[in-house]
Amino acid sequence: EVQLVESGGGLVQPGGSLRLSCAASGFTFTNFGMSWIRQAPGKGLEWVSYISSNNSTMYHADSVKGRFTISRDSAKNSLYLQMNSLRAEDTALYYCARATTDTGGGSWFAPWGQGTLVTVSS
Amino acid sequence: QSVLTQPPSVSAAPGQKVTISCSGSSFNIGNNYVSWYQQLPGTAPKLLIYDNNKRPSGIPDRFSGSKSGTSATLGITGLQTGDEAEYYCGTWDSSLSVRFVFGTGTQVTVL
Repeated sequence: EVQLVESGGGLVQPGGSLRLSCAASGFTFTNFGMSWIRQAPGKGLEWVSYISSNNSTMYHADSVKGRFTISRDSAKNSLYLQMNSLRAEDTALYYCARATTDTGGGSWFAPWGQGTLVTVSS
Repeated sequence: QSVLTQPPSVSAAPGQKVTISCSGSSFNIGNNYVSWYQQLPGTAPKLLIYDNNKRPSGIPDRFSGSKSGTSATLGITGLQTGDEAEYYCGTWDSSLSVRFVFGTGTQVTVL
């Protein structure tokens, strides 16, 4: 069974840092890109970051560019999100999701983990 | 502010059909494939449709997707109470920088 389990969320003060982790199992991790997607309380989905299967390509949303960094460790089948200079508006449930891109160029996210909650508050 | 616009809500009686629109531009829907996600209350989103109109295994054929120009549509037929959820479209966008964008979300209510 394909499974993604996030961890590392918690309460952090504005300006602080946090590192999220996502443990992947049930599939060949090195064959897939991965993404982080967040959802603020009562709000819609916001894509945060993407990393390709071979680490060669990374994209970040403008709202987190320069503050967040996505990375992956194939030896540990894990995805990470290093979050620095956190702001109140970064408060959200952070999901990791497996990204599939087909030869025709379409891409989609499935499955998603259950999420880890990040709260930025003093 | 999302670049993909969806109606905030749609509703219909059990057994009826609803459609959800997702309006974008040539920077996103017009030149990329669209996927759709269902988020039941209190749960993580789940993929419903990919590549505009393809269903993953396990998704019933009551759910369908289509795309025309810079808009996409999700259709749900034979509406069931278990379909009450928030639905999001998504695709890649290249208007400013490369990014994936989700629609504003649509709440489906079964009357």
